[in-house]
Amino acid sequence: GAGVSQSPSNKVTEKGKDVELRCDPISGHTALYWYRQRLGQGLEFLIYFQGNSAPDKSGLPSDRFSAERTGESVSTLTIQRTQQEDSAVYLCASSLVLSTDTQYFGPGTRLTVL
Amino acid sequence: DQQVKQNSPSLSVQEGRISILNCDYTNSMFDYFLWYKKYPAEGPTFLISISSIKDKNEDGRFTVFLNKSAKHLSLHIVPSQPGDSAVYFCAAAHGSSNTGKLIFGQGTTLQVKP
Repeated sequence: GAGVSQSPSNKVTEKGKDVELRCDPISGHTALYWYRQRLGQGLEFLIYFQGNSAPDKSGLPSDRFSAERTGESVSTLTIQRTQQEDSAVYLCASSLVLSTDTQYFGPGTRLTVL
Repeated sequence: DQQVKQNSPSLSVQEGRISILNCDYTNSMFDYFLWYKKYPAEGPTFLISISSIKDKNEDGRFTVFLNKSAKHLSLHIVPSQPGDSAVYFCAAAHGSSNTGKLIFGQGTTLQVKP
């Protein structure tokens, strides 16, 4: 079956512009997670959604970052007024239920802020 | 504050030999540990996990060892194969909280030479 997909695969933007990243989770997965990986660093948790519960936004680095999820489907991560330090690979994962060991990752979106 | 550390950025081994990847953590609240494997241009894939109530978990060629007193875990791959060449990430979680929030290390790039 189809895995987690993300779009675009690459995004180059100018400092100060807004960007929107998209994640399509595996069908039927109730939990969805966003991580980012900056150069030379590990994956950094940003936010997760679980069903209709309030999302855990504790990893979002600033109020320029926001994310939405419609039901148990697509999620978008929005970064407003991008800065060069936002350059990273943004990874989305989903799992059947909220879990630590069965997260399935997408290929990521590589964001470059010039 | 890097709570999960992989101090070796890279490792090179000969095919057929053992690969040992190391990971250290600082947070004693972590009670669930995972290893993920990542090929270029793909998302990480779950490899193996271990709960803090155990000190060893084995799955085929992959074994994870946990030393809680030293806050150290390691992944052993025996025998190593060229297809194992990838970036390996160690991750930790408060498994009992079941939030799905993973804390990752920086990754170790493994190269298995034929």
